Amino acid sequence: NAGVTQTPKFRILKIGQSMTLQCTQDMNHNYMYWYRQDPGMGLKLIYYSVGAGITDKGEVPNGYNVSRSTTEDFPLRLELAAPSQTSVYFCASRGGYNSPLHFGNGTRLTVT
Amino acid sequence: GENVEQHPSTLSVQEGDSAVIKCTYSDSASNYFPWYKQELGKRPQLIIDIRSNVGEKKDQRIAVTLNKTAKHFSLHITETQPEDSAVYFCAASKNSGGYQKVTFGIGTKLQVIP
Repeated sequence: NAGVTQTPKFRILKIGQSMTLQCTQDMNHNYMYWYRQDPGMGLKLIYYSVGAGITDKGEVPNGYNVSRSTTEDFPLRLELAAPSQTSVYFCASRGGYNSPLHFGNGTRLTVT
Repeated sequence: GENVEQHPSTLSVQEGDSAVIKCTYSDSASNYFPWYKQELGKRPQLIIDIRSNVGEKKDQRIAVTLNKTAKHFSLHITETQPEDSAVYFCAASKNSGGYQKVTFGIGTKLQVIP
């Protein structure tokens, strides 16, 4: 199993550009999450999904969008990138209640 | 909503000494408490977890204790080694309308001095 795979690893965007962060998992997990991690600020939930076709907002959803057309894939879309979106983004999945999160390797995004 | 406070934010110990990181949570409905270790530039990875029906759990040099009454839980690392140097995150998790909400602490940067 590859686990949770994120692409790209690094990206530099100009203000106003858009991009999609890709996330796929091969563990057949229903629950998937997107977090952002800023220095000294821990992990903040952006969006989550409890299964294909179902998504909902987390703590910091503004400026982002998601879709979940399959169990495996959970892409995160940034529209009109802003410097405040400079961060490390982690995708994660879990198999069920009271089970741990499995994280991808992260995407380091810089918006200038 | 749930609030998880984690202390200390940084911790330096001599190799071989013990390290203790403490977390408190606010929502008594939280019932699952994982701990993640994040090495520099890497992803967070689970090191140990505890469920609300258990007071203590141990895995080799790592142990976690949970006090539901006081709403706090702690990570204990004994005989620390340089490879234990990392950022450690606690989290509290509860079921909420078909979704399991996870709230993370802010993290503790542990430095083990050889």
